[in-house]
Amino acid sequence: DAKTTQPNSMESNEEEPVHLPCNHSTISGTDYIHWYRQLPSQGPEYVIHGLTSNVNNRMASLAIAEDRKSSTLILHRATLRDAAVYYCILRSPLEYGNKLVFGAGTILRVKS
Amino acid sequence: DAGVTQSPTHLIKTRGQQVTLRCSPKSGHDTVSWYQQALGQGPQFIFQYYEEEERQRGNFPDRFSGHQFPNYSSELNVNALLLGDSALYLCASSTRLAGVPYNEQFFGPGTRLTVL
Repeated sequence: DAKTTQPNSMESNEEEPVHLPCNHSTISGTDYIHWYRQLPSQGPEYVIHGLTSNVNNRMASLAIAEDRKSSTLILHRATLRDAAVYYCILRSPLEYGNKLVFGAGTILRVKS
Repeated sequence: DAGVTQSPTHLIKTRGQQVTLRCSPKSGHDTVSWYQQALGQGPQFIFQYYEEEERQRGNFPDRFSGHQFPNYSSELNVNALLLGDSALYLCASSTRLAGVPYNEQFFGPGTRLTVL
């Protein structure tokens, strides 16, 4: 299983942008980059995914480095409800099934 | 749509006992995966069920077993409970599309199991 590296924790002020980094230096050419987050006392939820190009959705943006060895999840205006553990996950279309391999993730704290 | 539901919410057992956890997938989903999440760690994949068969398994002993019913709901059974089995057990549902790596998984709120 491909490995990702994320900071243990980050802190942000409410209403400010947050950039959550993820390193994946051993990513293969076919691996997709996914982000999930887990709010307190809830199961993980999907945030965004991408392959090569930057992606935007209603929750966040995903910026992918040109060499694909790193990516950054961007929350444009953090709110208190964004306080969660954020997981960066690589998924391969060549792998049978669609299990998710979670690391420890980044704990995001948002200050009011 | 109720999303993924799990029961019970909390459970307390003693060592050596057996436990059964239940999961109902999101409407329209046919695949159920189970994950174990120890305190302070990310979820770890246990196994996945599709068409009532175990299709993929993580690094868990055979004390962990499961079942999927014709209505796609699923059970996770753990025998001979150990203290180390205390964790949050998460169920996730999805649709099985071969070769689709962006298939979003929807998680339930989990069952908190405490083994004394």
